Amino acid sequence: DIQMTQSPSTLSASVGDRVTITCRASQSIGLWLAWYQQRPGKAPKLLMFETSNLESGVPSRFSGAGSGTEFTLTISSLQPDDFATYYCQQYNYFPFSFGGGTKVEIK
Amino acid sequence: EVQLEESGGGLVQPGGSLRLSCAASGVTSGTYVLSWVRQAPGKGLQWVAGISGSGYSTYYEDSVKGRFTVSRDNSKNMLYLQVNGLRDEDTAVYYCAKSSGDQRSTWYLDDWGRGTLVTVSS
Repeated sequence: DIQMTQSPSTLSASVGDRVTITCRASQSIGLWLAWYQQRPGKAPKLLMFETSNLESGVPSRFSGAGSGTEFTLTISSLQPDDFATYYCQQYNYFPFSFGGGTKVEIK
Repeated sequence: EVQLEESGGGLVQPGGSLRLSCAASGVTSGTYVLSWVRQAPGKGLQWVAGISGSGYSTYYEDSVKGRFTVSRDNSKNMLYLQVNGLRDEDTAVYYCAKSSGDQRSTWYLDDWGRGTLVTVSS
């Protein structure tokens, strides 16, 4: 099974900051990586699929990059709405697997 | 608009069983993979089980193999998770999640329900 490792687990930042979250897979998953945002008490929401494709309605300040085993999610200018927890997920193979999450906190 | 609504959660004793259900609306059944994803209190997301659009192929995370069974009824647009032999560590919110389609390129989870809480405790 594929293990997904995210870093950092917590990130403290201010509104307007550029932030980057890293996700590593234990073996190559090609481009089959998705990112989700979860706010407290809510279901996860799809942000990005196939590494760098924005889901409809997601602001363009979110971007994704990478391939194989290393991936990043970047928020170009952090907005108040962006303080949440972010998860990566591989869907190259079953069983699917998620990273441990990155909580983006207000500095 | 796609809607997924889970039901069937509750308090159950260790070793007990439950059947979780997920009703899908606003989408043509049988054309996408469906998954169950759980989240223990204060913890991250864990993919648990999935089923192909036809229902012929099922997939499980190792810790639930042999205890959980995923199924779907495309005539009713329903997804199910039979959970047996429940353990304390199975306590979590269980989400139903829909993939965009039935091919690998569409397996990402584009719609989620609000979840149903399963609590395993004596």
